Order: sequence, then C-alpha cells, then structure tokens
Amino acid sequence: GQSLEQPSEVTAVEGAIVQINCTYQTSGFYGLSWYQQHDGGAPTFLSYNALDGLEETGRFSSFLSRSDSYGYLLLQELQMKDSASYFCAVGETGGFKTIFGAGTRLFVKA
Amino acid sequence: GAVVSQHPSRVICKSGTSVKIECRSLDFQATTMFWYRQFPKQSLMLMATSNEGSKATYEQGVEKDKFLINHASLTLSTLTVTSAHPEDSSFYICSARRTGANEKLFFGSGTQLSVL
Repeated sequence: GQSLEQPSEVTAVEGAIVQINCTYQTSGFYGLSWYQQHDGGAPTFLSYNALDGLEETGRFSSFLSRSDSYGYLLLQELQMKDSASYFCAVGETGGFKTIFGAGTRLFVKA
Repeated sequence: GAVVSQHPSRVICKSGTSVKIECRSLDFQATTMFWYRQFPKQSLMLMATSNEGSKATYEQGVEKDKFLINHASLTLSTLTVTSAHPEDSSFYICSARRTGANEKLFFGSGTQLSVL
C-alpha cells in the first residue's frame, strides 16, 4: 500500500525559513511533488523531484532522497500569504496516479 | 498554464437526488483525469481515475455505482453522485495532467456538495 507522513502543523514568523518533511512508502514510485492549498481553494503545484537532489523555484525549494524515501519542502523569506496547507504527493507508475499526504498546515505570524 | 474548469462550485440538494459535476480541460487535451474527495482540513483522497473512452478505475472502497464517472471526450469528465445522502457531503475536486507531463496536476476549483 501507500503511505505518506508529514507534520500536521508548523508555525513560523514572517521572514523566517521553514522546512516541511515528508516520508513515503509506495510501490512504483516515479516522483515526489508538492502542492499548496489555501482554505476553500484548489491545490496548486509548487515543485517536483524525480531524481535525488534539490530543485529550486524562487522562494521554494524541494529535496528528494530516493534511497531514504524522504523529501522536504523549504520555504524561505516567509510571507503572511504563505499561510496555507502544503501537501506532499507521490506519483505511482501504476496508473500514473498521484497520492497525497495528509497535509501540513503552515501558520505564518507577524 | 493549463486551465481546468469545474462546475458547479457549490451544490445543495435533497437526500436521494443525483448530482452531476463537470470537469473540463480548457486549453489542453486530457486523456486522463482524476477525481478527489476532501473533507475539511484533511487530505485529498483519490476516488477514481477517469480514462477517455474507457471505464474509470476506482480506488479501493469507492462505490462505482454510487459515483458514476464518464469521460466522453478528451476535454470533459463528469462525476455523478447518485442517490446522494448526507454522508456524501464533501468537497469534490477534479484534476488533469498534460500528456507527457506526469509530474504536474492541474486542479479544478472544486465543488462543495451539501446533501440535506
């Protein structure tokens, strides 16, 4: 079966850096992606890793270690608008479907 | 970026009625679309994979006769919640990916279903 684990909540202050970890267990893994969702809204794609290493997209970076079945999302220079839920998601080769973790609610304080 | 349109955004219906939700990819063809269900402050639970021109693939525990999926064209998938009951009240959201871009899902805006 599949399972993903990520912290349920993280709180940080504006301007800080926060790291959201994700560990996963799945079959037919082909990539780890990250999505942001504001309350009442649709998830939006943030980042994707298929290979080990760091991917950087502006203030957001994502890391993957396939051997450790582990990844993280790094958010720098936090802004109030970054307060949202962040989901890690694994892509599975069987059916090329995407399975989401439980999500991490990030609260950014002034 | 790619746009996925989902309608309606909100539905309130009586118990026992059926509700149809439409998901359209506006500027790309989507041979595969995915339907998710989300309860407040919880994760997105994959319900089924909708394949153009063939039967949908349902996840374990999802009743295929309850949640009818039709993917009649490369840009449209529909989810019909049949004989809805209060426990079916939830946020339903569709997604699609461009051909050859398996890493990125584009989501519709979601449908909040409330069954009285």
